[in-house]
Amino acid sequence: QQQVKQSPQSLIVQKGGISIINCAYENTAFDYFPWYQQFPGKGPALLIAIRPDVSEKKEGRFTISFNKSAKQFSLHIMDSQPGDSATYFCAASIGRDDKIIFGKGTRLHILP
Amino acid sequence: DTGVSQDPRHKITKRGQNVTFRCDPISEHNRLYWYRQTLGQGPEFLTYFQNEAQLEKSRLLSDRFSAERPKGSFSTLEIQRTEQGDSAMYLCASSLREMVAFFGQGTRLTVV
Repeated sequence: QQQVKQSPQSLIVQKGGISIINCAYENTAFDYFPWYQQFPGKGPALLIAIRPDVSEKKEGRFTISFNKSAKQFSLHIMDSQPGDSATYFCAASIGRDDKIIFGKGTRLHILP
Repeated sequence: DTGVSQDPRHKITKRGQNVTFRCDPISEHNRLYWYRQTLGQGPEFLTYFQNEAQLEKSRLLSDRFSAERPKGSFSTLEIQRTEQGDSAMYLCASSLREMVAFFGQGTRLTVV
């Protein structure tokens, strides 16, 4: 049973465009929702995270939108740049220091 | 380098051989996690330690896998009698209590 479902599997966006990745979760006990960015040959790096008591969090060009009633959350990358080309994982955990349940990932490619 | 360090970065082994990986967490981080990531998938939780105590093990961690964290510092993950299905990236992460985890760059295992 996949606890965190992520879509799309891959995404191609023009430079300057908006990249949108969606996730849905099942376990209502999750209370911490991070997004990780992973480049080839590297480990995942925390990009931005949100708790369910807020509906939106913005850090620079990255924004998380959170819909608690629908159990869905999404990552928006504004003004997408070629350097943003990477694999993005949504994730969920119970508390920031508990095991992390990852989605299957979205391979993002930004066209120059 | 003050990040999570993993050794080796790459390991090629013959089926049936035993392998051991090492993880050095960020100094003073009391939680240490092991994850496995196969190609095109998100990382999957294997086990985690708080100090030297192993608090949780995933059902993915078969009896051929064993992890230790003597003295609550570095950790080792051993796989006995490797199988081709064990080929994956093995990721280590560490955190302080109630803080987000930081990942190492992983050990890529290839079983031939």
